[in-house]
Amino acid sequence: GDSVTQMEGPVTLSEEAFLTINCTYTATGYPSLFWYVQYPGEGLQLLLKATKADDKGSNKGFEATYRKETTSFHLEKGSVQVSDSAVYFCALKGSTLGRLYFGRGTQLTVWP
Amino acid sequence: DGGITQSPKYLFRKEGQNVTLSCEQNLNHDAMYWYRQDPGQGLRLIYYSQIVNDFQKGDIAEGYSVSREKKESFPLTVTSAQKNPTAFYLCASSSETGYAKNIQYFGAGTRLSVL
Repeated sequence: GDSVTQMEGPVTLSEEAFLTINCTYTATGYPSLFWYVQYPGEGLQLLLKATKADDKGSNKGFEATYRKETTSFHLEKGSVQVSDSAVYFCALKGSTLGRLYFGRGTQLTVWP
Repeated sequence: DGGITQSPKYLFRKEGQNVTLSCEQNLNHDAMYWYRQDPGQGLRLIYYSQIVNDFQKGDIAEGYSVSREKKESFPLTVTSAQKNPTAFYLCASSSETGYAKNIQYFGAGTRLSVL
């Protein structure tokens, strides 16, 4: 069945460091892929998405490229800020009508 | 402003009690979802509904019930059969058409604790 495997956390970085959070998926067909972000005590917000192979989603300096050959959708940012501290979730919309499959989330903490 | 409203923000349940979490959306979305979030476990799907008067069990439906009598509303009842209800509950909605197709929009959540 459809599933997402996400890099275990927590991840701790200094401000302006480079960020990578790995995400791989298992799915039949051609799923859509998403990164969501959750700030403390809040719901999830869409960060970026990609709907087909080789698409690059980007937002707020974050990027992720849909790699079908490696079934991956890794999240990257060139220079993180303290305000990026949050939990990041990779998600997949596969063949099952409506539902998303989420990874376990990766806690990111950025120190000044 | 369009969005999803969950209430209450905090809820306490006594032993043997059923409690209902509210979720209302004004995004005109057909689909709505309930998730449970526990520390370190990500989001687990409880129930989802693609259309009014229809809903499907997710991965952890035991001990929960839902109704979908109106497009805007998808309340979740945590019954006394749910032995470990302490968690953060998130409601979401989505559309199957348009630019925002398949993007789920989330409420701010309800934190449920057992007294």
